[in-house]
Amino acid sequence: DQQVKQNSPSLSVQEGRISILNCDYTNSMFDYFLWYKKYPAEGPTFLISISSIKDKNEDGRFTVFLNKSAKHLSLHIVPSQPGDSAVYFCAASLNRDDKIIFGKGTRLHILP
Amino acid sequence: IAGITQAPTSQILAAGRRMTLRCTQDMRHNAMYWYRQDLGLGLRLIHYSNTAGTTGKGEVPDGYSVSRANTDDFPLTLASAVPSQTSVYFCASSEGQMYEQFFGPGTRLTVL
Repeated sequence: DQQVKQNSPSLSVQEGRISILNCDYTNSMFDYFLWYKKYPAEGPTFLISISSIKDKNEDGRFTVFLNKSAKHLSLHIVPSQPGDSAVYFCAASLNRDDKIIFGKGTRLHILP
Repeated sequence: IAGITQAPTSQILAAGRRMTLRCTQDMRHNAMYWYRQDLGLGLRLIHYSNTAGTTGKGEVPDGYSVSRANTDDFPLTLASAVPSQTSVYFCASSEGQMYEQFFGPGTRLTVL
């Protein structure tokens, strides 16, 4: 049973436009959410996180929105740049002391 | 600062052979993790260690063992490799489970 779901395997966005990556989760006890970015032949790198006590966290071009009632979070990238082309993993944990559970990832292609 | 190093970068292994994947971090992080990444399945936790001397099982521990003799090293051993263990293996570390994880570059393992 997949607890963290990224239903879009891939997404293509024009350079300069907004990229929106979505993530759904099933466990309402999840308390902490993260996004990781992965380039080919490299390990994932931490991008941004959000605690369940917040509904938005912003870091430069990256904003994560959390909708607890819908058990949904999204990552917005504005404006999208060619270097944003990568696989993005959504992840969640029961609390900041617990193990992280990853989604399957969404491959983002930024088109010139 | 190297961060996390993994060795080997890649390996082709005959089924039934024993193999140890090495992971070393120089950040003095307490927690370390081993994940496998398979196409369409995302990142799955194999084993973890909250601190030197302790280990725990993740989502897919069968066929793997780990040890944590000191803070820096966290080797993953396949006692008798099987083709289903063909995957890309990532080691990660964090200051504690409550902090974001830093990943190594990965080891691509093929079991024939």
